[in-house]
Parts: sequence; structure tokens; C-alpha cells
Amino acid sequence: DQQVKQNSPSLSVQEGRISILNCDYTNSMFDYFLWYKKYPAEGPTFLISISSIKDKNEDGRFTVFLNKSAKHLSLHIVPSQPGDSAVYFCAASDYSGGGADGLTFGKGTHLIIQP
Amino acid sequence: SQTIHQWPATLVQPVGSPLSLECTVEGTSNPNLYWYRQAAGRGLQLLFYSVGIGQISSEVPQNLSASRPQDRQFILSSKKLLLSDSGFYLCAWSVQLGGETQYFGPGTRLLVL
Repeated sequence: DQQVKQNSPSLSVQEGRISILNCDYTNSMFDYFLWYKKYPAEGPTFLISISSIKDKNEDGRFTVFLNKSAKHLSLHIVPSQPGDSAVYFCAASDYSGGGADGLTFGKGTHLIIQP
Repeated sequence: SQTIHQWPATLVQPVGSPLSLECTVEGTSNPNLYWYRQAAGRGLQLLFYSVGIGQISSEVPQNLSASRPQDRQFILSSKKLLLSDSGFYLCAWSVQLGGETQYFGPGTRLLVL
């Protein structure tokens, strides 16, 4: 059973427009959420995160929104740039449960920025 | 600043051969360490994590094992590789306390033939 779902395997957006990547989760114990960006044959790079006590976190062109009641989060990139083309992974953690458990990842969304 | 290394970058091994992948972290002490595998169409799957030397937790049953002989060294091993072990293996670290964010190494691409 997949606890973190990214239902769009790919997304194509025109350069300069807003990219919106979506993520849904089922485990209500998750209290920390992260977005990673990954290029082929490289390790994921941390982008932005949000704690469950917040509903929005912004860092430059990247904003993450969390809707706990819907168990949904989204990553907004604006404006989209060619270098943003990559696979984006949503990840979640039950960190307040204690210990150092790993992250649960979605399958990723391939974002393609078109000129 | 902290740096995480993995080697080798690429490995081609025959079925039934042993495996040893190494991960080291620089610039931090007593990190949490993790091994993930990315298989085609399956995202990243947590294999093992470690909160200290000699302390290993396994997330999924498999023919792989992990060891942490030193504070900043994490090793992924197998005595006999299977075809299904092919994939992209990623090591990650996080701060021991309050370390929700994990930082990944460059990865090792393993092909078992």
C-alpha cells in the first residue's frame, strides 16, 4: 500500500509559467514533508520542507502548501525555468514518533519545462 | 560543510557474486545514516537506517545487509546477488537530533547480470 502518492508521472509546463506538483498521503502520523529534485544518475537534492504545524512554506521560487485535512501537499515553482526540468519526489516522515525512521517517498513526477 | 561520498559510482556484477557498497560522510559527527534503493517505477525505497555505530534497522526483508563499522561509514553488502538487486542505491544522512531533512549522496548504479 503506497502511503505517499504522486499521481502524475509527468508534467509539461511552459517556461515562465507556474509549475504545480501534487502529492497525497494516507498516513495521518506523517508530520514532516519534503520535496526533492533529482536529475538522472544523481542523488536527490533537497528543495524545501514543511512541518505539519504550518500550511505554507516559501523559499525563493519554491512554495510548498500543506492541506492536512485533505492529506495533500503541493509544490509551486514560479516562474518555471529550463533548469527545473527534473524528477520531483515528495517525501514524508513520522519524525515525532521518535527515532530516526527513514522517509517514505512517492514515485516521482517528471517535470518538463518547455521553451 | 557536510559532504557525502559513495563508491563505486557504477558496478556490474554477475548473479551470485558478493557486493559491497560504501558510503562515508564528512563534516558532521554521529549522523543518522540511510540506504535507499531506486528501482524502475518504484520511487525510493528505504532499505536500512542506522542511528549509531553497530546499530542497524532493516525496513524490508531481502538478501542485503548493512553495517556501520565507524561513525561516518555505512556499508551495504550481499553475499550472493540476485537479478532483482539491480537498481540505483542511494546513501543519505541526517542530523542526529531534530534531523528531519535527509541529504543524499551521488548514488551507485548496480547492474546484476
